[in-house]
Amino acid sequence: GAVVSQHPSWVICKSGTSVKIECRSLDFQATTMFWYRQFPKQSLMLMATSNEGSKATYEQGVEKDKFLINHASLTLSTLTVTSAHPEDSSFYICSASPTGQKIYNEQFFGPGTRLTVL
Amino acid sequence: QKEVEQNSGPLSVPEGAIASLNCTYSDRGSQSFFWYRQYSGKSPELIMSIYSNGDKEDGRFTAQLNKASQYVSLLIRDSQPSDSATYLCAVTLQAGTALIFGKGTTLSVSS
Repeated sequence: GAVVSQHPSWVICKSGTSVKIECRSLDFQATTMFWYRQFPKQSLMLMATSNEGSKATYEQGVEKDKFLINHASLTLSTLTVTSAHPEDSSFYICSASPTGQKIYNEQFFGPGTRLTVL
Repeated sequence: QKEVEQNSGPLSVPEGAIASLNCTYSDRGSQSFFWYRQYSGKSPELIMSIYSNGDKEDGRFTAQLNKASQYVSLLIRDSQPSDSATYLCAVTLQAGTALIFGKGTTLSVSS
């Protein structure tokens, strides 16, 4: 149980194009999903918190117009990197928190999407 | 500023030994505590969660929590080369909120 998928697992695109990454919880519903970015040899950096049916909450320094997040259902959140540039090349990882947890707040990570912008 | 501190390592242990990983956190309101394992190039994998003071054992892993000291640890018994990875400590305040991660401790188990 508690499986999270991401698609695509890797993507290479040209500078200036947009890339959409999907995050799905396969066997549970997730009211809340989180998007992280990780550069080589660095820790995870939280980008935004995505809540089903409402606007995402972005961390300080993350451009909401560049990183568009849509949490359209209880099992799907998408991250769109608009007008991607080489500095956006990174490992993007989502996590999902099962709906109904009142205390424990376990979160399960997707396998990640490696984005390379040429 | 909510912080989670870990020794970055690397922590090197021989195969079969006990590896001890430590973590401290700054926010006394933290309620849930987690250890994730991350292999190079992969996403984090949840290996232990702990919510109350004391020890919690799962196979070769034991998590220890001391809320008074704001301290969480992970013991790995009979360490194997396959345990070589970065171990991330994470805490959270309440359900639905983001995890706060430490920078991770790199563990190397030599055969």
